[in-house]
Amino acid sequence: GQNIDQPTEMTATEGAIVQINCTYQTSGFNGLFWYQQHAGEAPTFLSYNVLDGLEEKGRFSSFLSRSKGYSYLLLKELQMKDSASYLCAVMDSNYQLIWGAGTKLIIKP
Amino acid sequence: IAGITQAPTSQILAAGRRMTLRCTQDMRHNAMYWYRQDLGLGLRLIHYSNTAGTTGKGEVPDGYSVSRANTDDFPLTLASAVPSQTSVYFCASSASGNTDTQYFGPGTRLTVL
Repeated sequence: GQNIDQPTEMTATEGAIVQINCTYQTSGFNGLFWYQQHAGEAPTFLSYNVLDGLEEKGRFSSFLSRSKGYSYLLLKELQMKDSASYLCAVMDSNYQLIWGAGTKLIIKP
Repeated sequence: IAGITQAPTSQILAAGRRMTLRCTQDMRHNAMYWYRQDLGLGLRLIHYSNTAGTTGKGEVPDGYSVSRANTDDFPLTLASAVPSQTSVYFCASSASGNTDTQYFGPGTRLTVL
């Protein structure tokens, strides 16, 4: 079957750095997406990786290793507004997104 | 303002009733999707449409139907609602049905009693 694993919850301090990991087993691979979802709101797109390596976008970076079935989202200089759930999703061979359950990130002052 | 709208925002429904959730996008995206989101689970695809006039089944299609008469609208119908269909429903769209980024509507919170 297809499976996306990510930690349920993480806590970090304002101003610090946090890494959210995602491992996957899917039928085919057409890229990995990270979305941010604030409570009660819609998911919003953060990043897309299809090749191995690190993609940097401001305070957020995303890494992919296809051989290991592994990705991480790195958030730097954490702000209180970064408190949200972070969703990892893999696009499978049918171009359908398979979603992880999300990681709830709690930022403490 | 460009984007995706969904209606209603929330709804409480008696079991056995018929309900249509509406979704409209003004980005001229070809592909549209319906997901449900339940606590502790990832988003699950219900139905999708890669272009107007075509639809396909996702991971959890039973009890739901969709239509895509034009590019902008993609309604989701529950023919006879059951309590297990209590969920938050998100509509999304993308430029095409491949690796393009999916953009989400604000969601409909549905409670079936």
